[in-house]
Amino acid sequence: GAVVSQHPSRVICKSGTSVKIECRSLDFQATTMFWYRQFPKQSLMLMATSNEGSKATYEQGVEKDKFLINHASLTLSTLTVTSAHPEDSSFYICSARTSGGARNEQFFGPGTRLTVL
Amino acid sequence: GQNIDQPTEMTATEGAIVQINCTYQTSGFNGLFWYQQHAGEAPTFLSYNVLDGLEEKGRFSSFLSRSKGYSYLLLKELQMKDSASYLCAVIIAGNNRKLIWGLGTSLAVNP
Repeated sequence: GAVVSQHPSRVICKSGTSVKIECRSLDFQATTMFWYRQFPKQSLMLMATSNEGSKATYEQGVEKDKFLINHASLTLSTLTVTSAHPEDSSFYICSARTSGGARNEQFFGPGTRLTVL
Repeated sequence: GQNIDQPTEMTATEGAIVQINCTYQTSGFNGLFWYQQHAGEAPTFLSYNVLDGLEEKGRFSSFLSRSKGYSYLLLKELQMKDSASYLCAVIIAGNNRKLIWGLGTSLAVNP
């Protein structure tokens, strides 16, 4: 149980284009989803927290107009990188958490490798 | 501010025991996680501690002392496949219960 999927797993795009990444909780309802970015040999950096049906909460320094997050249902959240540039190339990982559960555990998706040329 | 410290790198020998330490200073505390991450992959859950003491799960154990802001992950009978980055993360107070992450400890297991 507690499986989270991400699509696509890998994407290469040209500078200036937009890229959408989907995060799905396959066997549970995720009231909260988190979007992370990870550069090589660095730790996870939280970009934003999204709760189903409400606006995402962005971390300091993350441009909300550039990284659009939509959490329209309890099983799906999307991250759109608008007008992507080479510096946006990174490993993007989502995680999901249920409303219940004593452990507060986040279940991670497999990640999406974005390369902007 | 929020701060989590771990050693950057560690090296150990196959079959040995290694302890990875983590100290934290955070605004509130609702639990501490250890995750394992292989290069190019997402983190996978190893352990969760919310009360003081030792939690044992197979070859891996995790210890927490809330009064000292300290945790460690103990790996026994090391295998080559244990070579990975080990991330310490703390849940802080707040409605979203987000995780604050350490930078990770890169463990190399040598034959």
